Amino acid sequence: GAVVSQHPSWVICKSGTSVKIECRSLDFQATTMFWYRQFPKQSLMLMATSNEGSKATYEQGVEKDKFLINHASLTLSTLTVTSAHPEDSSFYICSAYKNRDSYNEQFFGPGTRLTVL
Amino acid sequence: KQEVTQIPAALSVPEGENLVLNCSFTDSAIYNLQWFRQDPGKGLTSLLLIQSSQREQTSGRLNASLDKSSGRSTLYIAASQPGDSATYLCAVLDSWGKFQFGAGTQVVVTP
Repeated sequence: GAVVSQHPSWVICKSGTSVKIECRSLDFQATTMFWYRQFPKQSLMLMATSNEGSKATYEQGVEKDKFLINHASLTLSTLTVTSAHPEDSSFYICSAYKNRDSYNEQFFGPGTRLTVL
Repeated sequence: KQEVTQIPAALSVPEGENLVLNCSFTDSAIYNLQWFRQDPGKGLTSLLLIQSSQREQTSGRLNASLDKSSGRSTLYIAASQPGDSATYLCAVLDSWGKFQFGAGTQVVVTP
């Protein structure tokens, strides 16, 4: 199997503070990871593609200076929400790409619920 | 731009009935299609993955079909159980590794 973990699973912070979320591939190496955001009763929206050793690629409308992504190793990507505001409250989910024999498959983390007061 | 639509948005059935969940996508140039289950406040559980060259995949009571040319996939769940209550998400993967998710179908199976 392939396991992806996220830490923390939930976080509550005050408006204006920064929050870091970690995404780890536990039993495989992932050169590419993805970050998604899900608002209540909505589907997942891709925020950015995280590539090990290079800059992340952000989707249109996602502020790269607000959502800092670092993929410093083959098993860890971090998402930092800078100067968080209540509208950033959401469920953040990461996924990691695993290369199989004949195809690639993404495995998802359990998600991190961020609440900004 | 790829758009993924899931119909119906919500579905309620009595226990024992078969479930049919539909997913359609606008761009047939997909790498694969995957069905997920999401329980309230939780992450995603992968149910079935269909490669673009495949027509269907089966796992236990679940069967998913894929018709790339018409841009459709259907998830069948046989003999539904209350434990099947969840939101089911369809997602298509492009060649860049990016998923486009549908809005989901919320399923309630009543005892």
